[in-house]
Amino acid sequence: AQTVTQSQPEMSVQEAETVTLSCTYDTSESDYYLFWYKQPPSRQMILVIRQEAYKQQNATENRFSVNFQKAAKSFSLKISDSQLGDAAMYFCAYRRGGLDQGGSEKLVFGKGTKLTVNP
Amino acid sequence: DSGVTQTPKHLITATGQRVTLRCSPRSGDLSVYWYQQSLDQGLQFLIQYYNGEERAKGNILERFSAQQFPDLHSELNLSSLELGDSALYFCASSAHPNQPQHFGDGTRLSIL
Repeated sequence: AQTVTQSQPEMSVQEAETVTLSCTYDTSESDYYLFWYKQPPSRQMILVIRQEAYKQQNATENRFSVNFQKAAKSFSLKISDSQLGDAAMYFCAYRRGGLDQGGSEKLVFGKGTKLTVNP
Repeated sequence: DSGVTQTPKHLITATGQRVTLRCSPRSGDLSVYWYQQSLDQGLQFLIQYYNGEERAKGNILERFSAQQFPDLHSELNLSSLELGDSALYFCASSAHPNQPQHFGDGTRLSIL
């Protein structure tokens, strides 16, 4: 079974600084997707960024970028120019690719990293 | 706003009772997923529907059941409730199983 590990339960960063959240995963599949979701205190789950495993180029969305190391099964999230609104729980998630039977589209989540942004 | 609507936002009930959580997916989305978020188990996949048919089951208890209706909305039924069922229940939808999932705001279930 696939597993996702976030080894940092909590992180903090100064406003305008850069922070990196770590995520590792375990899978025997070659076709899969990785995601970072943000959950602010309002408890919404917001998709931040996604990465297709077959793409070598790291995904970027404005101030958010990932460092995808497929061989090491590592998928870290870098937040640049941190803002107060970035304070939230961040969840790393894995999903198998393909459309075979058996629930391959389910998301497998890590335990989350709580990010605090200090003014 | 993700476009996924969940009702009610909060639900308080007692042990042994039965409740129904409702989810309206984004317009045009055929896939609906249910997840449970609890302090001890984290975010766990419960069940997935695609265009009215059950597609996959996860860690869903036998006391729980779900369905997706012809208009694509979905309901999650929880019965014989126990204290441990207290959690945040999310519904997510996607246009196609291979597309990103967008989450509703969740239903907070509290069992007293």
